[in-house]
Amino acid sequence: DIVMTQTPLSLSVTPGQPASISCKSSQSLLHSDGKTYLYWYLQKPGQPPQLLIYEVSNRFSGVPDRFSGSGSGTDFTLKISRVEAEDVGVYYCMQSIQLTFGGGTKVEIK
Amino acid sequence: EVQLVESGGGLVQPGRSLRLSCAASGFTFDDYAMHWVRQAPGKGLEWVSGISWNSGSIGYADSVKGRFTISRDNAKNSLYLQMNSLRAEDTALYYCAKDMGYDILTGGFDYWGQGTLVTVSS
Repeated sequence: DIVMTQTPLSLSVTPGQPASISCKSSQSLLHSDGKTYLYWYLQKPGQPPQLLIYEVSNRFSGVPDRFSGSGSGTDFTLKISRVEAEDVGVYYCMQSIQLTFGGGTKVEIK
Repeated sequence: EVQLVESGGGLVQPGRSLRLSCAASGFTFDDYAMHWVRQAPGKGLEWVSGISWNSGSIGYADSVKGRFTISRDNAKNSLYLQMNSLRAEDTALYYCAKDMGYDILTGGFDYWGQGTLVTVSS
């Protein structure tokens, strides 16, 4: 099974400052079709997860451009250029070659 | 507007069965794969099962294989999860999620329901 490892486990950020979350997979997520199937979700308190980024770096509809995704192969990063209060919650990466999630990174505001 | 509404959760004794349903609207249901994802209290997300647009491809997590059965009725825009031989470790909030594509692998989940809570306890 592909294991997804996220770091850090938690992050406390001052509003307006950047934040970065790492996700590493135990195997390459580059598919034979040339695409890399890595996704990022945010689960706000008391809500279901919401899709932020698909296929490494594509923002989903309505996602603010302060969110960006990058990476390749086994190493991926989600960056928030300027954290806002509404960004608090738990961030998960997910790979869809075998459908497993990372353990989550909790982001809170200082 | 895409809507996914789960139902069927509740308190059930170990070893018993439960059937979850997910009513979908706001998109062409039979164009997309669908999934069940669960979240135990205070824990992370775990994919449970997925089914392709035409039910031709189905997958299960090892933790539920042989006990859970996923199905869909495209005429009714509905997704189901039959859960048998329930265990305490199946206690979780069960989410219905829409895939971005027609098959169960290589797509992400773009829309999620609010979830239905399953509690397995004597």
